[in-house]
Amino acid sequence: QMQLQESGPGLVKPSETLSLTCNVSGGSISSSSFYWGWFRQPPGKGLEWIGTIFYTGKTFYSPSLKSRVTKSVDTPKNQFSLRLSSVTAADTAVYYCARLLSGFDAFDLWGQGTMVTVSS
Amino acid sequence: SFDLTQPPSVSVSPGQTASITCSGDNLGDSFLSWYQHKPGQSPVLVIYQDNRRPSGIPERFAGSNSGKAATLTIRGTQAMDEADYYCQAWDSSTDVVFGGGTKLTVL
Repeated sequence: QMQLQESGPGLVKPSETLSLTCNVSGGSISSSSFYWGWFRQPPGKGLEWIGTIFYTGKTFYSPSLKSRVTKSVDTPKNQFSLRLSSVTAADTAVYYCARLLSGFDAFDLWGQGTMVTVSS
Repeated sequence: SFDLTQPPSVSVSPGQTASITCSGDNLGDSFLSWYQHKPGQSPVLVIYQDNRRPSGIPERFAGSNSGKAATLTIRGTQAMDEADYYCQAWDSSTDVVFGGGTKLTVL
């Protein structure tokens, strides 16, 4: 059974770049049935979409974050990554990766989430 | 992009029916999904393509979409259903849009 696991630094300084990785186990990231997404939830706020990527590298980004976000896929390692540049305290959040099942048009599998705090 | 509007909170007594609405101008152009999110846990997909339930989701969860408003209905609400619920739609077929979330309280 496929599982997703986020990993990241936990603490990032303001103005630096946040890097997160989502490891996919129990299945192939290269399946044409799946897209892969990143989301976040700031403390006390709702869910926010960051972006979606296909294993070919095709990406879709939230308009509000597009200028600071880069996503990539590493098919040999079966993982995909997120880089968010020039972070501020407003980027403090729990970050989730998730799987989009194309036949569902919905994100049917989520990682457990990783908390990232932006602070000096 | 467009906005999805949800009530901030809904309360229901155990065993009763809870209804959570999601409104937006473009709902007719997009499939709608609903996610259940409990504190400290990952979101769980409970409804996709407006009214379909993933495997393992109880039958008491149901969804509908009239094009202007969507509703998540939970019949026979249980204490375990207490959570935040988010509706999610698609903008231009590729961009994900969430509603602001509704806190369901089972009193």
